[in-house]
Amino acid sequence: DAMVIQNPRYQVTQFGKPVTLSCSQTLNHNVMYWYQQKSSQAPKLLFHYYDKDFNNEADTPDNFQSRRPNTSFCFLDIRSPGLGDTAMYLCATSRQAGEQFFGPGTRLTVL
Amino acid sequence: ILNVEQSPQSLHVQEGDSTNFTCSFPSSNFYALHWYRWETAKSPEALFVMTLNGDEKKKGRISATLNTKEGYSYLYIKGSQPEDSATYLCATRTMRFGAGTRLTVKP
Repeated sequence: DAMVIQNPRYQVTQFGKPVTLSCSQTLNHNVMYWYQQKSSQAPKLLFHYYDKDFNNEADTPDNFQSRRPNTSFCFLDIRSPGLGDTAMYLCATSRQAGEQFFGPGTRLTVL
Repeated sequence: ILNVEQSPQSLHVQEGDSTNFTCSFPSSNFYALHWYRWETAKSPEALFVMTLNGDEKKKGRISATLNTKEGYSYLYIKGSQPEDSATYLCATRTMRFGAGTRLTVKP
């Protein structure tokens, strides 16, 4: 089945140790999104790729970077994670700006 | 309203009860409102995309209405079942999400 896959599902890292989260899709959608959701809060859009064009939200910390080497893959790099970066990270895809299809998320814990 | 707001934050109902909850959103420059259902340990799943004022959409026992002039949408669940237990999220086209309503249906 076509889907959005996120790896790993759970990640524990140490304060300041770089971490990379992975998202892949078999839907051939041209738009890919990364969201951060902290406990009991709304998912917050960090950035998205519209084809190869990178769109960063104004309040996304510089600590967060993203790469999209091809249509299928998108990575979230956190260069120096802080305790406040503990959250669920959701990847989603869409065709143009339509309905989004989500992965199951990566739950990141920073110790 | 500047942000997307959902109420209540959580809801506990008995199996068979009907329930509803609210999503409020900025009414200016409206384009579309999305409803998602997010079960624990699974991916959020799209329920409805609503675009027209007065629109009503239905999927099984779940339905939603839209008022773009006043900036709100209601989600209704008729005869709730335990498998309806999930967090229900709404989002605007600009990908601003509400914090969700966590529904628990007790057998």
